[in-house]
Amino acid sequence: DAKTTQPPSMDCAEGRAANLPCNHSTISGNEYVYWYRQIHSQGPQYIIHGLKNNETNEMASLIITEDRKSSTLILPHATLRDTAVYYCIVRFRSNDYKLSFGAGTTVTVRA
Amino acid sequence: DTAVSQTPKYLVTQMGNDKSIKCEQNLGHDTMYWYKQDSKKFLKIMFSYNNKELIINETVPNRFSPKSPDKAHLNLHINSLELGDSAVYFCASSQGATYGYTFGSGTRLTVV
Repeated sequence: DAKTTQPPSMDCAEGRAANLPCNHSTISGNEYVYWYRQIHSQGPQYIIHGLKNNETNEMASLIITEDRKSSTLILPHATLRDTAVYYCIVRFRSNDYKLSFGAGTTVTVRA
Repeated sequence: DTAVSQTPKYLVTQMGNDKSIKCEQNLGHDTMYWYKQDSKKFLKIMFSYNNKELIINETVPNRFSPKSPDKAHLNLHINSLELGDSAVYFCASSQGATYGYTFGSGTRLTVV
């Protein structure tokens, strides 16, 4: 799997958009970008994934740069319940069963 | 209904004991996993089963033995527990490797 780099922590104001960056400069053409989060004392939760195009679902938006070397997860209206560790993971999609977690970004949403 | 359920939620035991953690998923997924999260909060994959067949076995001591009686269950048995086994163990499932994983709420194992 390509290595990812995320800031160790970031703060965000409640109600504002939270933009979480991730660098994956060694990503290969067949690798997808996945985002998960882990709220304190809970199991990780899948958020979104993408290959080239920007993706949006009910939880977040994923913006992938044209060269695919970096991406940004956007939480449009952060709430206190979004406080969690967010993991950016790059992996092959078809036959790679090893989802490997790094250190992630600890996001704290403040009132 | 809980999608991925683990039992027990908490487990406190003495060194040298043997214990099991059970996991069940009702999502119809064909792949299940065990992850370990240690005190430093790093999540590491231990095992993966696809259609009851072991496909991933990371560098895990032989004292850990997964068992998958059917696609919906993946249990973890640990022999001769050691202090270093204290951690939170998460079970997860997915439909193949393509889609997102669904994780259970974890089992906090404390070895004293």
